[in-house]
Amino acid sequence: DTGVSQNPRHKITKRGQNVTFRCDPISEHNRLYWYRQTLGQGPEFLTYFQNEAQLEKSRLLSDRFSAERPKGSFSTLEIQRTEQGDSAMYLCASSLEALYTFGSGTRLTVV
Amino acid sequence: AQSVTQPDIHITVSEGASLELRCNYSYGATPYLFWYVQSPGQGLQLLLKYFSGDTLVQGIKGFEAEFKRSQSSFNLRKPSVHWSDAAEYFCAVGLSGGSNYKLTFGKGTLLTVNP
Repeated sequence: DTGVSQNPRHKITKRGQNVTFRCDPISEHNRLYWYRQTLGQGPEFLTYFQNEAQLEKSRLLSDRFSAERPKGSFSTLEIQRTEQGDSAMYLCASSLEALYTFGSGTRLTVV
Repeated sequence: AQSVTQPDIHITVSEGASLELRCNYSYGATPYLFWYVQSPGQGLQLLLKYFSGDTLVQGIKGFEAEFKRSQSSFNLRKPSVHWSDAAEYFCAVGLSGGSNYKLTFGKGTLLTVNP
């Protein structure tokens, strides 16, 4: 059990570019979550997968955001046409039930 | 909608002093309650959790928290703070039952420890 792995750790991109983040959960965990954390705030829920099915999406997840979890294993979060307001830490977590294990996050900076 | 309030944005204590971080929640059902700690640039580490049963829960690193239903509170305590406890602390609530255990977090309390 190597924990939840997120890549890359840091990403700097120009406004308007597309970015993709990857999350590798703990293999036994069937639930996977994405959260976004901006400076001075707590994490905010973005979306949730149970196995490969995306079961809930927050209203924070605009049409420019898409998440996938093919085959119920790793997950990707893609942001299209990035905006400066997308700058944040993107956290992934996995769980069996209510106990999460968080990854170290991907810090996105849009310049 | 559920909400979590951490009234103290920043707390400074001296090493060896006691600590209490406050958390109040607004929830329509019996919640799951959590405290997480986050060091700069890192993910969140679970300190302790309350699901049911004994309302005083023990966690890692000498932390404890008490669930008070009548006050909708879940305050975190430590009798003697160590310099390594300096970090940001987040209270979170989740809905019990169902299959989506999404969490609602407070805005966090930044703890500074003076030598």
